[in-house]
Formats: sequence, C-alpha cells, structure tokens
Amino acid sequence: GAGVSQTPSNKVTEKGKYVELRCDPISGHTALYWYRQSLGQGPEFLIYFQGTGAADDSGLPNDRFFAVRPEGSVSTLKIQRTERGDSAVYLCASSLVVSNEQFFGPGTRLTVL
Amino acid sequence: AQSVSQHNHHVILSEAASLELGCNYSYGGTVNLFWYVQYPGQHLQLLLKYFSGDPLVKGIKGFEAEFIKSKFSFNLRKPSVQWSDTAEYFCAVPDSNYQLIWGAGTKLIIKP
Repeated sequence: GAGVSQTPSNKVTEKGKYVELRCDPISGHTALYWYRQSLGQGPEFLIYFQGTGAADDSGLPNDRFFAVRPEGSVSTLKIQRTERGDSAVYLCASSLVVSNEQFFGPGTRLTVL
Repeated sequence: AQSVSQHNHHVILSEAASLELGCNYSYGGTVNLFWYVQYPGQHLQLLLKYFSGDPLVKGIKGFEAEFIKSKFSFNLRKPSVQWSDTAEYFCAVPDSNYQLIWGAGTKLIIKP
C-alpha cells in the first residue's frame, strides 16, 4: 500500500509569513508524529497524535507552531510568523499503534528567507 | 529524559570491510530500540528493531545489532559492507511518551 506522503516537498517562504505542511499517513495508522531535522542532526520530536487528539505536544518550540489532525488521518503542521531559524526538513511518521515501528514520509524542506 | 549518543559522526570504509556503529542510550528499564537508515535522496526507513527476546537482531541487507542491557548499548554491525551501504544511520529509542529520541546520526561512506 501507499506509504506516508508529505506535501509540499519543498517550501520557500519569507520571514514573517505563515506556512502549512501536510502529512497523509498510512491508512489505518492511529498514531502520527511530526519531527524536525536540521542539517547534521538527528530528527527532533515536535508533536504526536493518537487519533484526533495531540497526545504529546511538548516538542513544539513555541506558540508559533501548531498542528491538527481533525479526522484522525491527515495532519497539518502550521507555522505562524516564520523565522529563519525555522528552516529545516519537517518529517512526518505514522505507526499502527503508538508503541510500534514508525514509518516516515519523505519530508518537507522548509526554507525561510 | 532519555538521550541517545552515536559515537561516530563520519565513517569511511572500503568495500568488504567490517562495520560497527556505536549507539548508547541513557536509561534502561523496558526499551525498544531502532536503527533507521537514510540513503541519499531517500526518506528514513527502518533497518532493524529490538522489542524483546534474542538480543541479537537481524535486519535488512545483512545488518544486525546486539542489545547489551548492562552497557545500555545497541551497536549496529555488518560483516562486509558494500558501496550501496553509503547512507546516514540513526539510532533511536522511544521516550516514556513513545516519541522517538534520536542520535545525531552517522554518515557512512563506502569507497568502491
């Protein structure tokens, strides 16, 4: 079946703008995770959903970042008033249940000019 | 909180050499352990995992890893590497809230 998909694959924006990044998990996976990966580092946890609710959002760096998963499938990560430091690859992963292996999407490369 | 360290950030080997990449995590208890790989231009994919049972786990493409509880380690090994193993390798361990905590990664370059 289809894997995790993320759109767009690349996003270039200007400082101060608003962006939305979309993640479409594997069908039937109840858990969905967002990570951020900067150059030369491992992924950094942002938030995860169990169904529609955010089970743990402790990794969101500040209140400019927000994520939703209204129907328990597709999720959108929203970043307001983007800053140059937000530039990174944003990764989405899903798993059948929360403790299982996570399957990753290709990521969205966000560049804030 | 859980933390993961990978000791080598860059490794360069010739084909047919043996490989061992180190991974240590900060605290024990019941742990699930993962190695992920990212080939150039591709997304992260699972190489192997340990949940319970035999501490020597076999993964794809001839990789294996050994969980040593007393050393808080989960080192990745391959007896004979190939040029196609050139990639970045990440060790990851779930925190108490199931979020994966990642090592910084090891970039492996295999010289043909």
